[in-house]
Amino acid sequence: EPEVTQTPSHQVTQMGQEVILRCVPISNHLYFYWYRQILGQKVEFLVSFYNNEISEKSEIFDDQFSVERPDGSNFTLKIRSTKLEDSAMYFCASSGTGVVETQYFGPGTRLLVL
Amino acid sequence: AQSVAQPEDQVNVAEGNPLTVKCTYSVSGNPYLFWYVQYPNRGLQFLLKYITGDNLVKGSYGFEAEFNKSQTSFHLKKPSALVSDSALYFCAVRDLQTGANNLFFGTGTRLTVIP
Repeated sequence: EPEVTQTPSHQVTQMGQEVILRCVPISNHLYFYWYRQILGQKVEFLVSFYNNEISEKSEIFDDQFSVERPDGSNFTLKIRSTKLEDSAMYFCASSGTGVVETQYFGPGTRLLVL
Repeated sequence: AQSVAQPEDQVNVAEGNPLTVKCTYSVSGNPYLFWYVQYPNRGLQFLLKYITGDNLVKGSYGFEAEFNKSQTSFHLKKPSALVSDSALYFCAVRDLQTGANNLFFGTGTRLTVIP
């Protein structure tokens, strides 16, 4: 069964450093998403991406965040200058383009900013 | 604005007993409703969804959920709990009226099935 994969599984970084989180969505999916889950809190939507552009984003997704599909398989989330409050589990998801397609989530990247 | 409420942080149930995990929602239009499960150190796994039609939706691992429009609820149920069902369960909603695909999640309910 096809899966969404994410790398790395864990990332530790210093405050102010840039990080790139990587995701490989399910191959025939065309919608891609990033969500995050701060420890003990709910899963929150960050951004969705379709046809090589952002389709929706939340107020969390400010100028320090960017997304990219650098090739035919990867989907990345870049955090330009990490803050302590960026520490969270980041989930990538993908879905097809039907009216109500299910979003399938990857295992997550746990980011710790020191 | 869309929102999801899971009123119970923790649900404990004995193995073999029926289980219910509660979820209520608020949307401006028609809701699309989802349940996901998260096992330790794992991502979110899709269990089931409600789009339209029959109010009782059947999903993976013997789970089902009942959509109740008048009560704006979408409770997750299973007739006989297994120890392996112990996990964190998230209810999520998508508001068809907004046209946006993003999901709004509840805060999660930790289910513990006691042997």
